Amino acid sequence: KQEVTQIPAALSVPEGENLVLNCSFTDSAIYNLQWFRQDPGKGLTSLLLIQSSQREQTSGRLNASLDKSSGRSTLYIAASQPGDSATYLCVLIQGAQKLVFGQGTRLTINP
Amino acid sequence: NAGVTQTPKFRVLKTGQSMTLLCAQDMNHEYMYWYRQDPGMGLRLIHYSVGEGTTAKGEVPDGYNVSRLKKQNFLLGLESAAPSQTSVYFCASSYSIAGGGSNQPQHFGDGTRLSIL
Repeated sequence: KQEVTQIPAALSVPEGENLVLNCSFTDSAIYNLQWFRQDPGKGLTSLLLIQSSQREQTSGRLNASLDKSSGRSTLYIAASQPGDSATYLCVLIQGAQKLVFGQGTRLTINP
Repeated sequence: NAGVTQTPKFRVLKTGQSMTLLCAQDMNHEYMYWYRQDPGMGLRLIHYSVGEGTTAKGEVPDGYNVSRLKKQNFLLGLESAAPSQTSVYFCASSYSIAGGGSNQPQHFGDGTRLSIL
């Protein structure tokens, strides 16, 4: 059974720092991996999607990497801003409708 | 740009009551999903639909029913509410099937917070 672990569960850093969020998974048989952000009281917003044949995706200050052999993905946030404060979710897509969600990292960026 | 709209946003029920959660999307998506989010559990798929008139069970379907009579709407029903169904419910939709090698993400609503007393 696929298990997705996100470490740390919570992270607080000062504004302007570069940071890395980690996601590990136990089964490398995946189609895609997605990173979402969830703001309090809101739904999930897709940030980046990496297909299984890709190694990384970039969008603005965000860069996500995927290493299936080691069962790891990272989300790199450059020059963090208070608006980046949210919970970040790593989601593995293993098949049709088979999404496995991590429990998230709660990120706080302090001004 | 409404996207995915869920109603109601909050609801408190007594054990044994029934209710229906409504999800509406204006993106002409074929695929729609209902998830529940519980502390320490992540999101879990309740039911999903691959098109108008179709529904299928997800990971945790017991105690819930769904209907997709119109392409833009996906309804989640609780037949006899139980305290274990206290949760935040999220609806999502997508253009193509999740996990089918697609690069299309799912779009989520803002959630319905449901408490069963």
